[in-house]
Amino acid sequence: GAVVSQHPSWVICKSGTSVKIECRSLDFQATTMFWYRQFPKQSLMLMATSNEGSKATYEQGVEKDKFLINHASLTLSTLTVTSAHPEDSSFYICSAEGGRRTYEQYFGPGTRLTVT
Amino acid sequence: GESVGLHLPTLSVQEGDNSIINCAYSNSASDYFIWYKQESGKGPQFIIDIRSNMDKRQGQRVTVLLNKTVKHLSLQIAATQPGDSAVYFCAENGGMNTGFQKLVFGTGTRLLVSP
Repeated sequence: GAVVSQHPSWVICKSGTSVKIECRSLDFQATTMFWYRQFPKQSLMLMATSNEGSKATYEQGVEKDKFLINHASLTLSTLTVTSAHPEDSSFYICSAEGGRRTYEQYFGPGTRLTVT
Repeated sequence: GESVGLHLPTLSVQEGDNSIINCAYSNSASDYFIWYKQESGKGPQFIIDIRSNMDKRQGQRVTVLLNKTVKHLSLQIAATQPGDSAVYFCAENGGMNTGFQKLVFGTGTRLLVSP
């Protein structure tokens, strides 16, 4: 139980286009979802926290107009990278909280974004 | 902007050895700590956690030790296997009373297990 999926698992897009990444909790309702980005050989950096039905809370230095987060339901959050640039190329990982073990975050498999 | 890439600290061990991975955390207010394993191209996988009211917790082949005095966390893996090869991250919650766990991840250690 407590499975989180992400779609797509990898995506290549051209500069200036927008890309949407989905994060779903498959067998539990996620009260809170988190979005991280990870550059090669580096740690996970929290980008934003989202609660269903409310606006996401962004970490310092993360542009909310560039990284649009929508937490439309208790099982789905989306991250849209708008007007993507090569420096946005990264591994994006979501996690969800609200499974059997309260406060444990269950991580998705990640989405590799490459902007050309 | 994108940070300069860093080389992860690496621990190389032989199969069957015991491994110890260390982590120094920064926030003395943190009261919940977790170890994650991340294989290449995958999301982090929960290994074991510990609350600040404990100094040791054991799981299957893994033990986490917490020393709050020096803000140090360690993960011990017994009888390390090639399948344990991965990057290991510690995470702390910063003691934030926000109603959810906002995690801060450490820099990570790469564990290489040779047969």
